[in-house]
Amino acid sequence: DSGVTQTPKHLITATGQRVTLRCSPRSGDLSVYWYQQSLDQGLQFLIQYYNGEERAKGNILERFSAQQFPDLHSELNLSSLELGDSALYFCASSPRLAVYTQYFGPGTRLTVL
Amino acid sequence: GIQVEQSPPDLILQEGANSTLRCNFSDSVNNLQWFHQNPWGQLINLFYIPSGTKQNGRLSATTVATERYSLLYISSSQTTDSGVYFCEITQGGSEKLVFGKGTKLTVNP
Repeated sequence: DSGVTQTPKHLITATGQRVTLRCSPRSGDLSVYWYQQSLDQGLQFLIQYYNGEERAKGNILERFSAQQFPDLHSELNLSSLELGDSALYFCASSPRLAVYTQYFGPGTRLTVL
Repeated sequence: GIQVEQSPPDLILQEGANSTLRCNFSDSVNNLQWFHQNPWGQLINLFYIPSGTKQNGRLSATTVATERYSLLYISSSQTTDSGVYFCEITQGGSEKLVFGKGTKLTVNP
């Protein structure tokens, strides 16, 4: 158990809908990262937050947004969902601003029908 | 952007064998990590190794940043080592993280 929790574990929804994925980092970790893993694209970095502020952006679509709250949990919002958004979404946390060691949550499997 | 290439893409071993996995990157990096994704999908950090050599039990890793590669050594492999091994880098001059496509390791009993 990495100490990073993600909810829900599975999510099935329809095209055009909006969903919210939630991540709670390890106790004391200030940095949160979001990743998407799909068969065709592999593991893609989406976005990083540090202590509530956006720190780095990767291949995140404009239909996706994220935020980190004062209690350090983070949410990833996916809107206008398309079939191609079906993937495993991981959250990771690390203690410092610079990446030292990342701890990954179990992931949320999103299926868009 | 920076390219991260892992080799080999697939590797099949008998239990007890040794292996070397490679990660090449096309530009300078600030950080480098190795991960193992087990057959249940969980990603586990193995090493944070932007340079130098580290060892943890049967696993060790070496990064030669000046030559832009990192190696992960697995000795006396066990069936529980099966899964996909990824390297992830943080590109120098930015904080973007990039994963390689991974090496899928299968260890047969």
